Amino acid sequence: NAGVTQTPKFQVLKTGQSMTLQCAQDMNHNSMYWYRQDPGMGLRLIYYSASEGTTDKGEVPNGYNVSRLNKREFSLRLESAAPSQTSVYFCASSAGAGAVQFFGPGTRLTVL
Amino acid sequence: GEDVEQSLFLSVREGDSSVINCTYTDSSSTYLYWYKQEPGAGLQLLTYIFSNMDMKQDQRLTVLLNKKDKHLSLRIADTQTGDSAIYFCAERVAGNTPLVFGKGTRLSVIA
Repeated sequence: NAGVTQTPKFQVLKTGQSMTLQCAQDMNHNSMYWYRQDPGMGLRLIYYSASEGTTDKGEVPNGYNVSRLNKREFSLRLESAAPSQTSVYFCASSAGAGAVQFFGPGTRLTVL
Repeated sequence: GEDVEQSLFLSVREGDSSVINCTYTDSSSTYLYWYKQEPGAGLQLLTYIFSNMDMKQDQRLTVLLNKKDKHLSLRIADTQTGDSAIYFCAERVAGNTPLVFGKGTRLSVIA
């Protein structure tokens, strides 16, 4: 089992460019999450999907969109990247929305 | 409301014990978790405690829970350089909502 996988591992964008971060899990989990991690700010929840077919905003959703493609995959899209979106992005999954979460290795994104 | 507080930094000498503290505000918390994040990696579940327990021990790790004061601590005995990491406290509250994470405590172990 690979657990939670994320692609790409690193990405550099210019302001205004768009991109999609991919996440997949092979644990048959119902719930999936996207976080960003910035120094001194801890983890901040961007969006989550409690179950296939549903998505909900987290603490910092502005500037992002998500798609729960199927039970395994949950993608995060930046339509028009801004320098403030420079961060490390983590995907996580859990059996249910309140259950313990398992994290991917992260995507390090720099927006110039 | 839901809020989890942790001090941001802790420095200890190799071989000493480390104690990382966490306070939470939601009295309906059912489980409390400790995650470890090594440099350049994602978060890994380290241990957890159910809210009706006072203590849980797992090899060098001891988790203490004071439910009255809403205080959780993680003690690492005989701290090693490999324990240098960021430690996150997280609480599971009632209902179908995501875990609430603290901001993390960066543990530095001095050889």
